[in-house]
Amino acid sequence: SAVISQKPSRDICQRGTSLTIQCQVDSQVTMMFWYRQQPGQSLTLIATANQGSEATYESGFVIDKFPISRPNLTFSTLTVSNMSPEDSSIYLCSVESPGGGQPQHFGDGTRLSIL
Amino acid sequence: GQNIDQPTEMTATEGAIVQINCTYQTSGFNGLFWYQQHAGEAPTFLSYNVLDGLEEKGRFSSFLSRSKGYSYLLLKELQMKDSASYLCAPQSNYQLIWGAGTKLIIKP
Repeated sequence: SAVISQKPSRDICQRGTSLTIQCQVDSQVTMMFWYRQQPGQSLTLIATANQGSEATYESGFVIDKFPISRPNLTFSTLTVSNMSPEDSSIYLCSVESPGGGQPQHFGDGTRLSIL
Repeated sequence: GQNIDQPTEMTATEGAIVQINCTYQTSGFNGLFWYQQHAGEAPTFLSYNVLDGLEEKGRFSSFLSRSKGYSYLLLKELQMKDSASYLCAPQSNYQLIWGAGTKLIIKP
């Protein structure tokens, strides 16, 4: 399976600032996803990062708050903008190889705390 | 709508067997994945079922009944390191649907 490097692994940020999370894959992948998971809760899909075009956002998530880049088939970034304490969460990057029945594999996640 | 139902928490004894059940309602069903997630870590892939029946992989087996919207994960010879959350994730129109998972506690 693909090796996924996500950074930073954790950060503590001030309210109102922004943080960019990076996700690097060791092979070309078609699908890259960004999730958020709050303690004890299920994974919530923020958006699908599309190579060469704008990301596809899920209901409740907007580009102004969570801008995403996908410049090539091995790299993506998620920015959490104008952070508030409600944004404290684990943010996870995942990738899916092409073909039916392929699992998503996850990076180690970014643990974000907002003061 | 789409819905996943798993027990919130289960407790089992080291060396025993445990079955974690999952029922789901989805449209455009493609298959079903099981993931393991240790506290504070990312989920890791365990198994995938697309056809009815049992898929065995070492100590872990997963079963699917598409007509019943039902799956289970069977863990044998439980070890303390199996203490984790287990996520049932049906795939609907090639997108994974995530529930809150089942927290499995293993006692000595």
